[in-house]
Amino acid sequence: DAKTTQPPSMDCAEGRAANLPCNHSTISGNEYVYWYRQIHSQGPQYIIHGLKNNETNEMASLIITEDRKSSTLILPHATLRDTAVYYCIVRDGNFGNEKLTFGTGTRLTIIP
Amino acid sequence: DTGVSQDPRHKITKRGQNVTFRCDPISEHNRLYWYRQTLGQGPEFLTYFQNEAQLEKSRLLSDRFSAERPKGSFSTLEIQRTEQGDSAMYLCASSRELNVNEQFFGPGTRLTVL
Repeated sequence: DAKTTQPPSMDCAEGRAANLPCNHSTISGNEYVYWYRQIHSQGPQYIIHGLKNNETNEMASLIITEDRKSSTLILPHATLRDTAVYYCIVRDGNFGNEKLTFGTGTRLTIIP
Repeated sequence: DTGVSQDPRHKITKRGQNVTFRCDPISEHNRLYWYRQTLGQGPEFLTYFQNEAQLEKSRLLSDRFSAERPKGSFSTLEIQRTEQGDSAMYLCASSRELNVNEQFFGPGTRLTVL
């Protein structure tokens, strides 16, 4: 699975959009981009995933560049409960490749 | 949907002792995963099951570690002859076979080896 690079920490004001970048320059054609987050003392939580098109769900939006070498997770209206470590993960979409390879993620702090 | 549960939530043991953790996945999830997380790091994959079959094991899973899922429902992770380096959070996750994109994680078992 391709390696990802994320900033170690970010701050965002409550109510503003939080934009979390991720670089995955060695991503291959059948690899998906996943985002999970981990709130303190809890297990990770799935947020969203995509292959090449932008994706949106009730939690967030995922913007993937045309060359797929980077992506941005957008939390449109950040709340204090969004304070967490956010992990960008690249995983082969082929059946049977189940494991998630987490990096060290971005620690997002929402400021009141 | 009651979520993934893990037991115990905390375990303190002395070096050299054996410990066993249990994970109950979301019902009807036939995929079950074990991860380990040390302080300041992201979770590391250990192993996963499809029903009762163990399909992949990480090189992190030394001979002292064994995982089972005998009836394809709950799973156990045993660590024999614990070492201080085994101190970590052990996380379990489950997913549906038809939607492996979303793994649902439990709260974890925090192991401290003295």
